[in-house]
Amino acid sequence: DTAVSQTPKYLVTQMGNDKSIKCEQNLGHDTMYWYKQDSKKFLKIMFSYNNKELIINETVPNRFSPKSPDKAHLNLHINSLELGDSAVYFCASSQTGDTQYFGPGTRLTVL
Amino acid sequence: GNSVTQMEGPVTLSEEAFLTINCTYTATGYPSLFWYVQYPGEGLQLLLKATKADDKGSNKGFEATYRKETTSFHLEKGSVQVSDSAVYFCALNPNTGNQFYFGTGTSLTVIP
Repeated sequence: DTAVSQTPKYLVTQMGNDKSIKCEQNLGHDTMYWYKQDSKKFLKIMFSYNNKELIINETVPNRFSPKSPDKAHLNLHINSLELGDSAVYFCASSQTGDTQYFGPGTRLTVL
Repeated sequence: GNSVTQMEGPVTLSEEAFLTINCTYTATGYPSLFWYVQYPGEGLQLLLKATKADDKGSNKGFEATYRKETTSFHLEKGSVQVSDSAVYFCALNPNTGNQFYFGTGTSLTVIP
């Protein structure tokens, strides 16, 4: 059973489009995260939700909007995509304060 | 504040060589420390962790010891294999909230 899953795995789209990435975890964790990994493998935290409440909201453009319908799901919607949004986006989950478990990533390419 | 400083790569080693990847940290309080590994095209996986000073984490032949006096958590392996080629991340959880702090990653390539 996949612990943290993301869809889609690859996303290729044109500048200006709106897209969503979905994440689900079946570990029963109460906290979920979105990270962005650039081409140099640098990981940047974007958002974190604890029991559906936003608790970390780093400095990202407001074109990025997370949504957590329940504590097992955290989706990321991106409006008006730009070239600089091209990256790999990782979802992760943890039980508060414990080890983070990562999904396989979504590679977003904006043309 | 909290931060992790990790040895810059890339690192290239021959098979069976000894590996050390340095990691030092800054933290308020009593953090937990982690090493994650990212194989090509995959997400990060926990490699090992240590939750208090002098603890040693170990897995798959890798080891790291939580050294509070030197604020370090260096990753070591006695004999690397080609299959160890990956990017390694040192990370810190300050145990005062939900945020992790990751190092910049060290790319390791092991050649036969």
